[in-house]
Amino acid sequence: GDQVEQSPSALSLHEGTSSALRCNFTTTTRSVQWFRQNSRGSLINLFYLASGTKENGRLKSAFDSKELYSTLHIRDAQLEDSGTYFCAARNYAQGLTFGLGTRVSVFP
Amino acid sequence: NSKVIQTPRYLVKGQGQKAKMRCIPEKGHPVVFWYQQNKNNEFKFLINFQNQEVLQQIDMTEKRFSAECPSNSPCSLEIQSSEAGDSALYLCASRDISNERLFFGHGTKLSVL
Repeated sequence: GDQVEQSPSALSLHEGTSSALRCNFTTTTRSVQWFRQNSRGSLINLFYLASGTKENGRLKSAFDSKELYSTLHIRDAQLEDSGTYFCAARNYAQGLTFGLGTRVSVFP
Repeated sequence: NSKVIQTPRYLVKGQGQKAKMRCIPEKGHPVVFWYQQNKNNEFKFLINFQNQEVLQQIDMTEKRFSAECPSNSPCSLEIQSSEAGDSALYLCASRDISNERLFFGHGTKLSVL
């Protein structure tokens, strides 16, 4: 959506490599959520951040509310990391405003 | 694993038919949202509830959809007369009052032929 600019739109990774996804927000947001959507459409919760950084296994996310961006780092990519990653900014009235996603493909 | 339960997983309807989908929010979550995700990955907010009351809905939902979250029953979203453009993934999400984090169900994929 207009409020959330997500990049890149697609990413190909060799197994074992690392990369980062980014979301820029055009308006102030109090928090951000990151999801991975699998091929069946299920949205898996990865992170919720109101500030700072969080880490979960090989994934790490940061949110800078002042500079209006969030990042998601994938370290040592594995085949199961493939999917479409979405960031979403908190929207007071409508819950969340989503980016258009980053399609991540991890190959051997 | 998601604790928000959506049924059915897939729904196929002809144009003009009603299309109804259901959602059981996570236990203890009084706030429920419905979103539509189209094939271009665009998410559209449709409606949200707190307990049984509608908090917000878009114009399209008000005119063409019927939605409710009765107490002790699943929430539901029903398109009164399906159109080809309604083909999409419909996602239900819920949260606690005090927690902004939204949890999503697996979605209902609607195909309108």
